[in-house]
Amino acid sequence: AQSVTQLGSHVSVSEGALVLLRCNYSSSVPPYLFWYVQYPNQGLQLLLKYTTGATLVKGINGFEAEFKKSETSFHLTKPSAHMSDAAEYFCAVREGGYQKVTFGIGTKLQVIP
Amino acid sequence: GAGVSQSPSNKVTEKGKDVELRCDPISGHTALYWYRQSLGQGLEFLIYFQGNSAPDKSGLPSDRFSAERTGGSVSTLTIQRTQQEDSAVYLCASSLTSGGPETQYFGPGTRLLVL
Repeated sequence: AQSVTQLGSHVSVSEGALVLLRCNYSSSVPPYLFWYVQYPNQGLQLLLKYTTGATLVKGINGFEAEFKKSETSFHLTKPSAHMSDAAEYFCAVREGGYQKVTFGIGTKLQVIP
Repeated sequence: GAGVSQSPSNKVTEKGKDVELRCDPISGHTALYWYRQSLGQGLEFLIYFQGNSAPDKSGLPSDRFSAERTGGSVSTLTIQRTQQEDSAVYLCASSLTSGGPETQYFGPGTRLLVL
């Protein structure tokens, strides 16, 4: 069975500081991994995804994530936080060949001016 | 349409009443998903439709919950005899197919409040 753990339901960073949102997964087969973002009063949108190949994945708005199989992690990072990054971020996993996508509980990112 | 649409955007109902939530997926998308987003609970998978195949209902929390997808397009999620713990945002998503890591496109959700 697949599962996702997001460490820290709330993360605060200063504007311009590094953003690091943690995600660990469990999967019995090679996974597909996703990060979604939900801005206030908006729907979920895809930030980035890992399928196969290059383990460092770049997404929209300067975010990137690295798939580390040995650590079963897919942490989301951004070098410099912007006020507009304040949102809730969801990590998700899907096992190849299966349809169900399992989401983490989400991490709310607060950016302090 | 341009994106996934859901209606109503907000629904307030009394405990014990039935509610129907509607999802219009992106045209041509064969896969459709329902999720529930409760406060502090993240997204909980409810049910999945793929074309004309039997749906994956493994996420439905009780037999009060059911869903249909007519003509491979519009879907309706029905909650019978609503309870206060059913209060949540119900999200619908669609994707082109389900055989790979295709991007799911999410609707804006229906916010359900059971009094």
